[in-house]
Amino acid sequence: DADVTQTPRNRITKTGKRIMLECSQTKGHDRMYWYRQDPGLGLRLIYYSFDVKDINKGEISDGYSVSRQAQAKFSLSLESAIPNQTALYFCATSDFRGGKGNIQYFGAGTRLSVL
Amino acid sequence: SQQGEEDPQALSIQEGENATMNCSYKTSINNLQWYRQNSGRGLVHLILIRSNEREKHSGRLRVTLDTSKKSSSLLITASRAADTASYFCATPPMDSGYALNFGKGTSLLVTP
Repeated sequence: DADVTQTPRNRITKTGKRIMLECSQTKGHDRMYWYRQDPGLGLRLIYYSFDVKDINKGEISDGYSVSRQAQAKFSLSLESAIPNQTALYFCATSDFRGGKGNIQYFGAGTRLSVL
Repeated sequence: SQQGEEDPQALSIQEGENATMNCSYKTSINNLQWYRQNSGRGLVHLILIRSNEREKHSGRLRVTLDTSKKSSSLLITASRAADTASYFCATPPMDSGYALNFGKGTSLLVTP
Protein backbone atom coordinates (compact mmCIF):
# COMPACT_ATOMS: atom_id res chain seq x y z
CA ASP A 1 0.00 0.00 0.00
CA ALA A 2 1.09 3.54 -0.72
CA ASP A 3 2.54 5.52 2.16
CA VAL A 4 0.60 8.65 1.14
CA THR A 5 -2.89 7.97 -0.15
CA GLN A 6 -5.13 10.47 -1.83
CA THR A 7 -8.82 10.01 -2.50
CA PRO A 8 -10.45 10.35 -4.90
CA ARG A 9 -7.96 9.97 -7.73
CA ASN A 10 -10.23 11.71 -10.18
CA ARG A 11 -13.22 13.94 -9.62
CA ILE A 12 -15.50 15.91 -11.88
CA THR A 13 -17.77 18.42 -10.22
CA LYS A 14 -19.87 21.44 -11.07
CA THR A 15 -19.35 25.09 -10.30
CA GLY A 16 -20.60 25.99 -6.83
CA LYS A 17 -20.36 22.50 -5.37
CA ARG A 18 -18.47 21.76 -2.19
CA ILE A 19 -15.82 19.15 -2.56
CA MET A 20 -13.35 17.51 -0.22
CA LEU A 21 -10.09 15.87 -1.15
CA GLU A 22 -8.63 13.54 1.41
CA CYS A 23 -5.11 12.52 2.26
CA SER A 24 -3.88 9.93 4.69
CA GLN A 25 -0.36 8.77 5.46
CA THR A 26 1.23 5.81 7.16
CA LYS A 27 4.72 7.30 7.34
CA GLY A 28 4.25 8.76 10.82
CA HIS A 29 5.34 12.18 9.58
CA ASP A 30 4.39 15.31 11.44
CA ARG A 31 4.14 17.66 8.50
CA MET A 32 1.57 17.56 5.71
CA TYR A 33 1.04 19.76 2.66
CA TRP A 34 -1.42 20.43 -0.13
CA TYR A 35 -0.21 21.62 -3.54
CA ARG A 36 -1.90 22.25 -6.83
CA GLN A 37 -0.21 21.78 -10.16
CA ASP A 38 -1.22 23.60 -13.30
CA PRO A 39 0.46 23.18 -16.69
CA GLY A 40 3.35 25.61 -17.04
CA LEU A 41 3.07 26.82 -13.44
CA GLY A 42 4.67 24.00 -11.53
CA LEU A 43 3.55 23.23 -8.00
CA ARG A 44 2.09 25.88 -5.77
CA LEU A 45 1.54 25.51 -2.06
CA ILE A 46 -2.05 25.83 -0.84
CA TYR A 47 -1.83 24.96 2.88
CA TYR A 48 0.57 23.21 5.17
CA SER A 49 0.37 21.79 8.66
CA PHE A 50 3.22 21.13 11.04
CA ASP A 51 1.03 19.24 13.46
CA VAL A 52 -2.66 18.84 14.29
CA LYS A 53 -2.89 22.27 15.92
CA ASP A 54 -0.62 24.15 13.52
CA ILE A 55 -2.08 25.00 10.11
CA ASN A 56 -0.67 27.64 7.81
CA LYS A 57 -1.72 29.28 4.57
CA GLY A 58 0.44 28.84 1.56
CA GLU A 59 0.84 30.90 -1.57
CA ILE A 60 -2.66 30.32 -2.95
CA SER A 61 -5.05 29.56 -0.06
CA ASP A 62 -7.98 31.70 -1.23
CA GLY A 63 -10.99 29.54 -2.02
CA TYR A 64 -9.62 26.58 -0.07
CA SER A 65 -9.79 25.35 3.50
CA VAL A 66 -8.15 22.44 5.28
CA SER A 67 -8.66 20.21 8.25
CA ARG A 68 -6.02 18.17 10.06
CA GLN A 69 -8.22 15.55 11.67
CA ALA A 70 -5.31 13.56 13.04
CA GLN A 71 -1.58 13.36 12.53
CA ALA A 72 -2.20 10.97 9.66
CA LYS A 73 -5.08 12.80 7.93
CA PHE A 74 -5.18 16.14 6.14
CA SER A 75 -8.19 17.14 4.06
CA LEU A 76 -8.55 19.92 1.53
CA SER A 77 -11.95 21.47 0.87
CA LEU A 78 -13.21 23.67 -1.90
CA GLU A 79 -16.23 25.36 -0.36
CA SER A 80 -17.68 26.52 -3.67
CA ALA A 81 -15.74 25.13 -6.60
CA ILE A 82 -15.00 27.32 -9.61
CA PRO A 83 -13.60 26.33 -13.01
CA ASN A 84 -10.16 27.86 -12.41
CA GLN A 85 -9.69 25.39 -9.58
CA THR A 86 -9.43 22.67 -12.19
CA ALA A 87 -5.98 21.24 -11.56
CA LEU A 88 -3.97 18.32 -10.31
CA TYR A 89 -3.82 18.33 -6.51
CA PHE A 90 -1.08 16.69 -4.49
CA CYS A 91 -0.74 15.90 -0.84
CA ALA A 92 2.73 15.51 0.61
CA THR A 93 4.28 14.68 3.95
CA SER A 94 7.63 15.28 5.55
CA ASP A 95 9.48 14.52 8.74
CA PHE A 96 11.61 17.43 9.72
CA ARG A 97 12.95 15.80 12.84
CA GLY A 98 16.47 14.45 12.84
CA GLY A 99 17.83 16.87 10.31
CA LYS A 100 16.29 15.19 7.30
CA GLY A 101 16.01 18.51 5.52
CA ASN A 102 12.27 18.39 4.91
CA ILE A 103 12.31 15.85 2.09
CA GLN A 104 8.72 15.48 0.96
CA TYR A 105 6.81 12.35 0.00
CA PHE A 106 3.94 12.76 -2.41
CA GLY A 107 0.67 11.02 -3.01
CA ALA A 108 -0.37 10.00 -6.50
CA GLY A 109 -2.54 13.08 -6.93
CA THR A 110 -6.19 13.94 -7.46
CA ARG A 111 -7.21 15.21 -10.86
CA LEU A 112 -10.07 17.65 -10.32
CA SER A 113 -12.23 19.12 -13.05
CA VAL A 114 -14.74 21.85 -12.26
CA LEU A 115 -17.29 22.34 -15.00
CA SER B 1 5.92 33.16 -4.84
CA GLN B 2 7.82 30.48 -6.68
CA GLN B 3 11.40 30.32 -5.63
CA GLY B 4 13.16 28.21 -8.21
CA GLU B 5 13.29 28.52 -11.93
CA GLU B 6 14.52 25.61 -14.02
CA ASP B 7 16.23 25.95 -17.33
CA PRO B 8 15.64 24.76 -19.98
CA GLN B 9 11.87 24.29 -19.86
CA ALA B 10 12.18 21.32 -22.16
CA LEU B 11 15.06 19.09 -23.21
CA SER B 12 15.17 16.29 -25.77
CA ILE B 13 18.14 13.93 -26.02
CA GLN B 14 18.95 10.42 -27.15
CA GLU B 15 19.66 7.48 -24.93
CA GLY B 16 23.22 7.43 -23.73
CA GLU B 17 23.64 11.19 -23.79
CA ASN B 18 23.96 13.33 -20.70
CA ALA B 19 21.18 15.68 -19.61
CA THR B 20 21.86 18.88 -17.70
CA MET B 21 19.20 20.97 -16.04
CA ASN B 22 19.72 24.19 -14.18
CA CYS B 23 17.87 25.86 -11.34
CA SER B 24 18.09 29.39 -10.02
CA TYR B 25 16.57 30.56 -6.77
CA LYS B 26 16.06 33.86 -5.03
CA THR B 27 16.57 33.74 -1.26
CA SER B 28 18.92 32.13 1.23
CA ILE B 29 18.40 28.42 1.71
CA ASN B 30 19.50 25.58 3.97
CA ASN B 31 19.31 23.00 1.23
CA LEU B 32 18.11 22.45 -2.31
CA GLN B 33 16.30 19.36 -3.52
CA TRP B 34 15.56 17.79 -6.88
CA TYR B 35 12.43 15.80 -7.61
CA ARG B 36 11.24 13.78 -10.60
CA GLN B 37 7.66 13.50 -11.82
CA ASN B 38 6.57 10.92 -14.32
CA SER B 39 3.61 12.05 -16.38
CA GLY B 40 0.58 12.75 -14.19
CA ARG B 41 2.07 11.10 -11.14
CA GLY B 42 3.32 12.29 -7.78
CA LEU B 43 6.78 13.73 -7.35
CA VAL B 44 9.61 11.54 -6.16
CA HIS B 45 12.58 12.89 -4.26
CA LEU B 46 15.91 12.35 -6.01
CA ILE B 47 18.62 14.13 -4.08
CA LEU B 48 19.21 16.82 -1.47
CA ILE B 49 22.25 19.05 -1.32
CA ARG B 50 22.93 21.19 1.72
CA SER B 51 24.01 24.80 1.53
CA ASN B 52 27.53 23.93 2.73
CA GLU B 53 28.00 21.33 -0.01
CA ARG B 54 29.14 22.09 -3.53
CA GLU B 55 28.58 18.76 -5.25
CA LYS B 56 26.76 15.54 -4.55
CA HIS B 57 26.42 12.26 -6.40
CA SER B 58 23.78 9.58 -6.37
CA GLY B 59 24.11 6.83 -8.97
CA ARG B 60 23.91 8.51 -12.38
CA LEU B 61 22.91 11.83 -10.83
CA ARG B 62 25.26 14.65 -10.05
CA VAL B 63 24.06 17.84 -8.40
CA THR B 64 26.05 21.02 -7.92
CA LEU B 65 25.19 24.03 -5.82
CA ASP B 66 26.62 27.53 -6.06
CA THR B 67 25.18 29.61 -3.25
CA SER B 68 26.99 32.74 -4.40
CA LYS B 69 25.11 32.57 -7.70
CA LYS B 70 21.98 31.07 -6.14
CA SER B 71 22.00 28.29 -8.69
CA SER B 72 22.12 24.53 -8.93
CA SER B 73 22.47 22.01 -11.71
CA LEU B 74 21.33 18.42 -12.10
CA LEU B 75 23.30 16.18 -14.43
CA ILE B 76 21.94 12.81 -15.48
CA THR B 77 24.66 10.76 -17.12
CA ALA B 78 24.09 8.05 -19.72
CA SER B 79 20.38 8.81 -19.98
CA ARG B 80 17.83 6.08 -20.50
CA ALA B 81 14.33 6.20 -21.93
CA ALA B 82 13.07 5.58 -18.39
CA ASP B 83 14.54 8.93 -17.35
CA THR B 84 11.83 10.65 -19.41
CA ALA B 85 10.02 12.81 -16.86
CA SER B 86 9.76 16.33 -15.51
CA TYR B 87 12.42 17.43 -13.05
CA PHE B 88 11.86 20.06 -10.40
CA CYS B 89 14.15 21.86 -8.05
CA ALA B 90 12.75 22.79 -4.66
CA THR B 91 14.02 25.02 -1.92
CA PRO B 92 12.92 25.59 1.66
CA PRO B 93 13.50 29.32 2.17
CA MET B 94 14.80 29.94 5.65
CA ASP B 95 11.87 32.14 6.59
CA SER B 96 9.14 29.83 5.27
CA GLY B 97 8.94 27.27 8.01
CA TYR B 98 10.59 24.91 5.56
CA ALA B 99 7.63 24.39 3.26
CA LEU B 100 9.20 23.78 -0.12
CA ASN B 101 8.97 26.17 -3.02
CA PHE B 102 9.08 24.38 -6.36
CA GLY B 103 10.18 25.65 -9.72
CA LYS B 104 8.19 25.13 -12.90
CA GLY B 105 10.25 22.15 -13.95
CA THR B 106 12.24 20.89 -16.90
CA SER B 107 10.54 18.37 -19.13
CA LEU B 108 13.08 15.77 -20.26
CA LEU B 109 12.46 13.44 -23.20
CA VAL B 110 14.93 10.64 -23.78
CA THR B 111 14.44 8.86 -27.08
CA PRO B 112 15.78 5.38 -27.84
